[in-house]
Amino acid sequence: NAGVTQTPKFQVLKTGQSMTLQCAQDMNHEYMSWYRQDPGMGLRLIHYSVGAGITDQGEVPNGYNVSRSTTEDFPLRLLSAAPSQTSVYFCASSYYSGTYEQYFGPGTRLTVT
Amino acid sequence: ILNVEQSPQSLHVQEGDSTNFTCSFPSSNFYALHWYRWETAKSPEALFVMTLNGDEKKKGRISATLNTKEGYSYLYIKGSQPEDSATYLCAFFLSNAGGTSYGKLTFGQGTILTVHP
Repeated sequence: NAGVTQTPKFQVLKTGQSMTLQCAQDMNHEYMSWYRQDPGMGLRLIHYSVGAGITDQGEVPNGYNVSRSTTEDFPLRLLSAAPSQTSVYFCASSYYSGTYEQYFGPGTRLTVT
Repeated sequence: ILNVEQSPQSLHVQEGDSTNFTCSFPSSNFYALHWYRWETAKSPEALFVMTLNGDEKKKGRISATLNTKEGYSYLYIKGSQPEDSATYLCAFFLSNAGGTSYGKLTFGQGTILTVHP
């Protein structure tokens, strides 16, 4: 059981480049979400999904796209990277019922220059 | 945007001290309140998930209480140890009219605890 995995661990982008952060889980969780972590601001929800084919926006969705074609995978796309997107990104998953206890991936540290 | 506030922002204590922090959240449409422990260079891990007013949960030297009517939760650490040093996050799940969750988890900014030997 690998839990929640994220790739890459580190990434440096130039302004305007696009890329996809990968997230996968093997716990058959319906609920998956992406957060960004910035100093002094805790974790802020970017997008979330309650099942394959269903996604919704969180608190800070601008500049990011998501899709959920399978239960296991929930990639986050940066369309045109900006320095303001420099952050640590965490993916999390849980069952979509009960307590929603979140299981987090190891994070991706992204720097946009 | 929901307001989930944690205080204090940071805390320095000596080994053996007991300490507590607060999480404040909206008192209406409550579904669940989570506490997570986040060590440096690791991912957040769930400590407690609390759903009922008056809930008290305990794990070793760490315990938490919940008051949904007034919108706060306390996390207590008894006899702090250096390995308790971490950021402690609380997170609030909003309920919809049907009593289920909207699916959006809102985190507080965290309390950074440093325990000095």
